[in-house]
Parts: sequence; C-alpha cells; structure tokens
Amino acid sequence: NAGVTQTPKFRVLKTGQSMTLLCAQDMNHEYMYWYRQDPGMGLRLIHYSVGEGTTAKGEVPDGYNVSRLKKQNFLLGLESAAPSQTSVYFCASRPRGSNTEAFFGQGTRLTVV
Amino acid sequence: QQQVKQSPQSLIVQKGGISIINCAYENTAFDYFPWYQQFPGKGPALLIAIRPDVSEKKEGRFTISFNKSAKQFSLHIMDSQPGDSATYFCAASIRTNFGNEKLTFGTGTRLTIIP
Repeated sequence: NAGVTQTPKFRVLKTGQSMTLLCAQDMNHEYMYWYRQDPGMGLRLIHYSVGEGTTAKGEVPDGYNVSRLKKQNFLLGLESAAPSQTSVYFCASRPRGSNTEAFFGQGTRLTVV
Repeated sequence: QQQVKQSPQSLIVQKGGISIINCAYENTAFDYFPWYQQFPGKGPALLIAIRPDVSEKKEGRFTISFNKSAKQFSLHIMDSQPGDSATYFCAASIRTNFGNEKLTFGTGTRLTIIP
C-alpha cells in the first residue's frame, strides 16, 4: 500500500518556467490538499479538493492552479515560476467525514532560480 | 493571517523532562484539533487529536490539554526521549456542510531532546 505519492521529489526551475506536481493516493480518499512548508511559516494551505472535479482556494493560492480530474490524483501547477515559490510542497489526503486523519506524501523540494 | 498560533518556535528539553507546546486559535468554528509530528525529510504524520467536547486526551506519553473558553490547546510529552526530537505542528479543522474539509496548521515547533 503506497499511500500518498508525490512526483517529482526534487526540481530546480528557472524563473518563468512552468511545471506540474503530481499527487497520487491509493486509499480512495475524498479530500486532497496541497501545502507549502517554509521556515518559520509552518504548513500553509494552497488549494484543496473535496472530490473529483471540485477544487477550492486555501490561504496562499496566488500563482498556483490545481485540477482533480480523477479521484486518486491531485495536480498542482505553476504557470510562471517565481523565486518566492521556492519551498517544500506537501500533498495530503483524508477520507470524508468528521475528524479524519490526513496522510501526507514525502514532499517535493522545489527551487526556483 | 495565521488562524492557529503556535509557540515556542523551538524548544530544547533534557531527556526525561516534560516538553510543552502551546497553540491558540480565534475561530470558534474549529472543532477538531490534531497534532502532527514531522521528522527531517518526511511528511507530517498524525500523533494525537482531540475534539472540543473533552478537556484532555492521553495516549502513552503524549497528552493534549484543551481549554475551550480560552481557545487554547497544548501538547505535553512526558519523559521526553531523544527519539521525540522532531517538528510538531498543531492544527485545526473547520466544520462545514460537507464535513471537516479545511485543515489549518500552526507554524511548527522544533523540539530537541538532549541527553
């Protein structure tokens, strides 16, 4: 059972380039999340999804887009990368229902130069 | 705007001592309060969680104390061990018609247990 898998694990981008981070979960969870982790800032919610075909903005959505075309996948896109988007990105999923546990991927370390 | 405020940012505790991490929130719509533990190079993992209808929850050496009127909750680690050295995040979840979808985290506390 793989749980939550993020691809890629590391990436270096030049300013202005675009890329997509992929999150895949095999637990049939309804909810999926993208967070970014920066020193002293904790985990900040970028976007989330409560089901296939639905997405919503979190605390820091600017500069990012997401899609959830299949229940098991949640994609995070950067259309024009900026140095301020250098961060570690975490995907998480949790089942529907109150007070359920969130399961996190291993993270993607992104550097924008 | 940080909806969940966590302190301290870093904490050093001697082996066998008690580690205490505090969190405060403003939004009374929060109704699920988990703590997550993160080791270097790994994603966070659920450690313990509490609902606001109880004032304390204990699992082994880990205890959450919850004060609803003060809108504060804390994590206590008894008999702290070097293996507890990690970053700890408090979090809070908002109830909506679809269930508790939005999970908001604090800024994290880096805990170091010294021999």
